[in-house]
Amino acid sequence: DADVTQTPRNRITKTGKRIMLECSQTKGHDRMYWYRQDPGLGLRLIYYSFDVKDINKGEISDGYSVSRQAQAKFSLSLESAIPNQTALYFCATSDFGGLDTGELFFGEGSRLTVL
Amino acid sequence: AQTVTQSQPEMSVQEAETVTLSCTYDTSESDYYLFWYKQPPSRQMILVIRQEAYKQQNATENRFSVNFQKAAKSFSLKISDSQLGDAAMYFCAFDFGNEKLTFGTGTRLTIIP
Repeated sequence: DADVTQTPRNRITKTGKRIMLECSQTKGHDRMYWYRQDPGLGLRLIYYSFDVKDINKGEISDGYSVSRQAQAKFSLSLESAIPNQTALYFCATSDFGGLDTGELFFGEGSRLTVL
Repeated sequence: AQTVTQSQPEMSVQEAETVTLSCTYDTSESDYYLFWYKQPPSRQMILVIRQEAYKQQNATENRFSVNFQKAAKSFSLKISDSQLGDAAMYFCAFDFGNEKLTFGTGTRLTIIP
């Protein structure tokens, strides 16, 4: 099984619908992140969490919300999806202070299409 | 502002040849971490190589090596003996000391058989 698991892997929805992307990890890391990938723009940070009680906005948080339900779970919600939120979404974890400090461990991505 | 720039949207190389992907950045920090990630068509993000800014020696992982020039704020990736499996998007990324990575816009590498 993957260390960082995202569901769903692919989703097509309509404008105005509420969507939740879920992420769970078995790496035991405190730090979790949601990134969005668009062609020509690379990966941009939406939200990040350094522990269950710590949630922070990234550079493109408008239109999104998150919930850190447990150390291992971090979900991303689109309350009312719009077409320009069509993108590939990645969840990632990191272990700051450990041997792999700074490195992100990624899930397999969730491709979201908003019609 | 901390920025990361990959000025080559696309590159191509003959199989078995060497190619260098460029990345520049801007930061006022003195201690940070630098990474190159690979994204093949499977879309999985895979760490290729990592460099700590305080280390003068350039990192090497098999056929992959970096040329890190701190004063010039440059961090290029060299792939030697290119293989078909190296075809992917390559992203440079930086942790500027705030425990989150800032990514470049990526370079798509094509390997010509």
